[in-house]
Amino acid sequence: RKEVEQDPGPFNVPEGATVAFNCTYSNSASQSFFWYRQDCRKEPKLLMSVYSSGNEDGRFTAQLNRASQYISLLIRDSKLSDSATYLCVVNRGPGGSYIPTFGRGTSLIVHP
Amino acid sequence: GAVVSQHPSRVICKSGTSVKIECRSLDFQATTMFWYRQFPKQSLMLMATSNEGSKATYEQGVEKDKFLINHASLTLSTLTVTSAHPEDSSFYICSANTAGEGLNNYGYTFGSGTRLTVV
Repeated sequence: RKEVEQDPGPFNVPEGATVAFNCTYSNSASQSFFWYRQDCRKEPKLLMSVYSSGNEDGRFTAQLNRASQYISLLIRDSKLSDSATYLCVVNRGPGGSYIPTFGRGTSLIVHP
Repeated sequence: GAVVSQHPSRVICKSGTSVKIECRSLDFQATTMFWYRQFPKQSLMLMATSNEGSKATYEQGVEKDKFLINHASLTLSTLTVTSAHPEDSSFYICSANTAGEGLNNYGYTFGSGTRLTVV
């Protein structure tokens, strides 16, 4: 089993739609979690951290379920500019070795 | 915010030559930098963790003699691809934990990446 697995893509949705991505991780000792966005041929950029209590940033909501070892990202009212690849990132831990491990990414295509 | 400057952004080299990629943290000290490689339509694969003043830690399957990493200062880490071959053609990218080692809920800052093509 891969350390970090994501929903297969691509997700092809119309503008205004709500879309959700899931990501599962295998290391139960993982300590911190993030969602990154990567545009084609560019470096990943941090979208949001994922906190135990769940967190929201505008149209984006992230959730963490430690018992089931997954995190999710919900995007409401999708915009054309949301089209990108969304990467789930999990930090290995504990013990001070917080090394980020990336999922393969889920491609989102928002169409008019 | 924290910025990691990566150079060059694109390089084409002949098979058998060596290529050096630099990553600099511009407004913070990066005690740890991570080097990744990404093939088309694939995820970022961690190659090695670079620690300032000590030897890099390589991931399983990554040849340390082929991918030389030097992290001589708190603001500069370099990756040298030695005797490059066409199969080394890829997108190489570095990242730094902006809070140094340890838990960082602010994530990681990435360099802009280097697209290496070996012909």
